[in-house]
Amino acid sequence: DAGVIQSPRHEVTEMGQEVTLRCKPISGHNSLFWYRQTMMRGLELLIYFNNNVPIDDSGMPEDRFSAKMPNASFSTLKIQPSEPRDSAVYFCASSIILPPASGGTRLVNEQFFGPGTRLTVL
Amino acid sequence: SQQGEEDPQALSIQEGENATMNCSYKTSINNLQWYRQNSGRGLVHLILIRSNEREKHSGRLRVTLDTSKKSSSLLITASRAADTASYFCATVSTGRRALTFGSGTRLQVQP
Repeated sequence: DAGVIQSPRHEVTEMGQEVTLRCKPISGHNSLFWYRQTMMRGLELLIYFNNNVPIDDSGMPEDRFSAKMPNASFSTLKIQPSEPRDSAVYFCASSIILPPASGGTRLVNEQFFGPGTRLTVL
Repeated sequence: SQQGEEDPQALSIQEGENATMNCSYKTSINNLQWYRQNSGRGLVHLILIRSNEREKHSGRLRVTLDTSKKSSSLLITASRAADTASYFCATVSTGRRALTFGSGTRLQVQP
């Protein structure tokens, strides 16, 4: 398996431009996560999907950020319009989250991370 | 407030020595995971310990979990220069499906 694939690996854009980041999760994984990493704020969860449905988008900083998962093998994170403070490394990760056993809780396993997209907004 | 705070923030040791990193968290957890990140790369999962486990081993890694103190430690024995990286603990809070990452420990192993 090629692992989680992200594109582009690097993106340099000017303030005000639209930015689209792409992610292909590992085949068979049912959950996908978008993270942002900066020196100041560390690794922050932006949004995650389970079975292509957004479950928690409370980490999305503003309405300028949006994410979609039209099918099990593709997701996008869009920033429109971009601002210099959006400069960061954006990671996508996927995992398998199993449904709860009878009377039990969901099994949250390890996440597999992509190589990240380094975004610079000038 | 941030779940999962690592201590120390930075650690520098000589090759062959042991490295110990600690993690504290605030809420009840389902499991706790440790990840490694090499500079400029994505995170790589190292080990997962469930809330009903106290200790787990994987190669040169040893993880302990004390749910009463809401803390965990990662021990890397006989460290190598290739162990140089940032190490993050991540928790899965009870009832949630997402990981919350700490701020990480930067480990430097001098050859």
